[in-house]
Amino acid sequence: GNSVTQMEGPVTLSEEAFLTINCTYTATGYPSLFWYVQYPGEGLQLLLKATKADDKGSNKGFEATYRKETTSFHLEKGSVQVSDSAVYFCALSDLPSRGSARQLTFGSGTQLTVLP
Amino acid sequence: DVKVTQSSRYLVKRTGEKVFLECVQDMDHENMFWYRQDPGLGLRLIYFSYDVKMKEKGDIPEGYSVSREKKERFSLILESASTNQTSMYLCASRRHPPDRRNQPQHFGDGTRLSIL
Repeated sequence: GNSVTQMEGPVTLSEEAFLTINCTYTATGYPSLFWYVQYPGEGLQLLLKATKADDKGSNKGFEATYRKETTSFHLEKGSVQVSDSAVYFCALSDLPSRGSARQLTFGSGTQLTVLP
Repeated sequence: DVKVTQSSRYLVKRTGEKVFLECVQDMDHENMFWYRQDPGLGLRLIYFSYDVKMKEKGDIPEGYSVSREKKERFSLILESASTNQTSMYLCASRRHPPDRRNQPQHFGDGTRLSIL
């Protein structure tokens, strides 16, 4: 079955530091990959996505490249801000097999705190 | 922008009560989902619905049921609430294109439910 493994948090960085949150996946097909962000007290928002190998998703200074050879989709940002403090979820979506209810498989989430 | 609205941000109920969590979306999306979010476990799919009056079990349906009588509304029902159902509940919706893999889900802000 499909699975997503994220680096465990929490991650604490100073403002303007470089961020990497690792994400690796296991999938039987050719999934699409997503990063979602959850700010305090809110639901999840789509941050970026990539739908095929070597695609790079980017948004708000964050980037992630779909690496099929290493089954990875690591999230990076060159210079984090205090406002980036949130929980980040890696997720994959694959075509459901017959009888399968799974639509999105999420990682367990990584808490990021950025200090001024 | 897609708006997914969950009826309550915080809810406190007692063991054995029947609990209804309501979710409404305003973008005519076919697919709707209910997740629960617990620390260290990420998001787990409870139930989802492809379209009106259609429902499928997710990964953890035990103790829950759902209702989708109208396209815009998806209700989660705890038949007889128990303390292990204390959690954050997130509703999501998604457009249903031919290739479902690439469509992101849009989330509500969540309902934090406490069962005493």
